[in-house]
Amino acid sequence: EAGVAQSPRYKIIEKRQSVAFWCNPISGHATLYWYQQILGQGPKLLIQFQNNGVVDDSQLPKDRFSAERLKGVDSTLKIQPAKLEDSAVYLCASSFLPNTEAFFGQGTRLTVV
Amino acid sequence: EDQVTQSPEALRLQEGESSSLNCSYTVSGLRGLFWYRQDPGKGPEFLFTLYSAGEEKEKERLKATLTKKESFLHITAPKPEDSATYLCAVFGNEKLTFGTGTRLTIIP
Repeated sequence: EAGVAQSPRYKIIEKRQSVAFWCNPISGHATLYWYQQILGQGPKLLIQFQNNGVVDDSQLPKDRFSAERLKGVDSTLKIQPAKLEDSAVYLCASSFLPNTEAFFGQGTRLTVV
Repeated sequence: EDQVTQSPEALRLQEGESSSLNCSYTVSGLRGLFWYRQDPGKGPEFLFTLYSAGEEKEKERLKATLTKKESFLHITAPKPEDSATYLCAVFGNEKLTFGTGTRLTIIP
């Protein structure tokens, strides 16, 4: 079974530039999560989708971050404009049901300089 | 708001020295507790799901247990390859909330 795919693996951008991350979840998984993980910390939930609807985006900085899930499958997370404090690993995860185990991709390491 | 606290933050053990990691949680209506392992530069890897107090799960040298307020991850006779950060997460209020993790180092 193919796992959660994310791209790119690494990205370096200057502050005030924009960046987009892509995620392809495990086939058949209705729930999709985007997490931000700063070095030395646990993952922080940014947004949770159930199919193509948003369940929770209470911790998403909506003035600069946006996310969408096309047709309930792939998802993109965008940052515009980026700030230095956005430097982190962005993790995508998916699960079959909301309260079942979530499987993670390898993450995208973003460095904002 | 759901809260997850893990302790200790870091733990160094000699190879073969058994110990336990703690995850205490505050959540209204726990619908699942999850343990993950995370190696440097990788995404979290799923280990266990626990749904109700008294439940236990085992995998190789790891055993996870759950009470109404906390979960323990017991590691028996660890090996150097068990070195990683262990993350606990709870599902309540319709979202998955993680703790900050315990960084485990096993010294040969």
